[in-house]
This record gives sequence, structure tokens and C-alpha cells, in this order.
Amino acid sequence: SSELAQDPAVSVALGQTVRITCQGDSLRSYYASWYQQKSGQAPVLVIYATNNRPSGIPDRFSGSSSGNTASLTITGAQAEDEADYYCNSRDSGNNPYVFGTGTKVTVL
Amino acid sequence: EVQLVQSGAEVKKPGESLRISCKGSGYSFTTYWINWVRQMPGKGLEWMGRIDPSDSDTNYSPSFQGHVTISADKSISTAYLQWSSLKASDTAMYYCAGSSGWSEFDYWGQGTLVTVSS
Repeated sequence: SSELAQDPAVSVALGQTVRITCQGDSLRSYYASWYQQKSGQAPVLVIYATNNRPSGIPDRFSGSSSGNTASLTITGAQAEDEADYYCNSRDSGNNPYVFGTGTKVTVL
Repeated sequence: EVQLVQSGAEVKKPGESLRISCKGSGYSFTTYWINWVRQMPGKGLEWMGRIDPSDSDTNYSPSFQGHVTISADKSISTAYLQWSSLKASDTAMYYCAGSSGWSEFDYWGQGTLVTVSS
């Protein structure tokens, strides 16, 4: 089965922009979704089908994709955006879904 | 409002059996598949499997096939994740998550912490 690789950690100054990437072969065929998980809480969907935001998700969150890489961008990061972020996609192998390894975002 | 409410934390011994639950409310239970996701302490998310409550069709990750059983009772809008013989390595937080078929996980339960220790 495929894997989705993410940088383990990134930091961003308050109000600045940060981009989180997710790389894997499955992204050539399937959409990426992104989940925010704050400490001690359940994950929350923030982006689906590459670049769509669910109701209630601030528009500072955006997504994009090219080739085998999907990206989540936070434009104007806020303190409350500090969390772990996971990408996810379908997979054509034996495992129907695969999660990324996760990126810890620290807002300085 | 769509809600998935999971059963409470469990402490079990190795070899014991366990069933945890995920109850849907605020929507027609057969609308969303229920997926189960594991998060081991300090680790990332792992998809375990899913069930379509309308017909109880299931799929499992190869990593979990044969180790857990996913079931559902649509009459009480509840899905289950079951172990017949727990191991210490099953210690983790388990989340249920709703999806519209093979798509993103729109709604998540609050999680059930399972601790397996002798």
C-alpha cells in the first residue's frame, strides 16, 4: 500500500503564512483531505476534495495539489491554528484509505 | 446537528474481549458509513475499517483484518468495534468517523480510550 509523507513539524509566526505538504503516489489518482487535531481532541475536517472547505472552517485554510503532492496553506495563522495536521486519501492498494504521517504546526 | 457519540474509556486485561460503540444522532443513520480510526499514544491516525450501516457491508485495512470486527445495528443507530482477545498493543484512542461512501471523514466521535494492561 502507499504511504503519505509529511514534514514532522513546522513553525509559523503569528499572522504569517505556512504551507504543509503531503507526498504520495495515491495523490496522483485520488483527492486529498486534511484534518486538524488539537491536543486532546478528535480530528476535524478542514479541507476535502483537495481545495474545499466544510462549513465553519475559516477561509484562511486552503488546499491545492500537483502531481503526487497535496498542500494545505494557512494564510494569516492564528494562535488557535496550533495543532497536528494530517492528510488523507484513498489508495488503490490493499488498504482503501491512507493517512499522512502528520505535521505539528507551532504558531510563534 | 450530526453527532457521533462514543462509549466511555475502558481498562482491560490482555486476553479479554471488548466492544466499544459509536451512536449516531441528528441524521438518518444509514446516510453515512462509519469508519474506525486508531491513534496509538503519541502517534498518528490509522484507518482500521468501515461499515455501511444500510447493509452491514464492511471493509478492513489489511493491518487490522482478523484482529477486530466492525458491526452495526441500524435500529439503534449504533456501530461497534469489537475485539475477542485484547493485547497490550491495542492500547490506543479509537475514533469513529462518518463518511459519505468512499470520501472524506466529515464527522468524528469524541474518541474512546482503550487501555490494555495486566
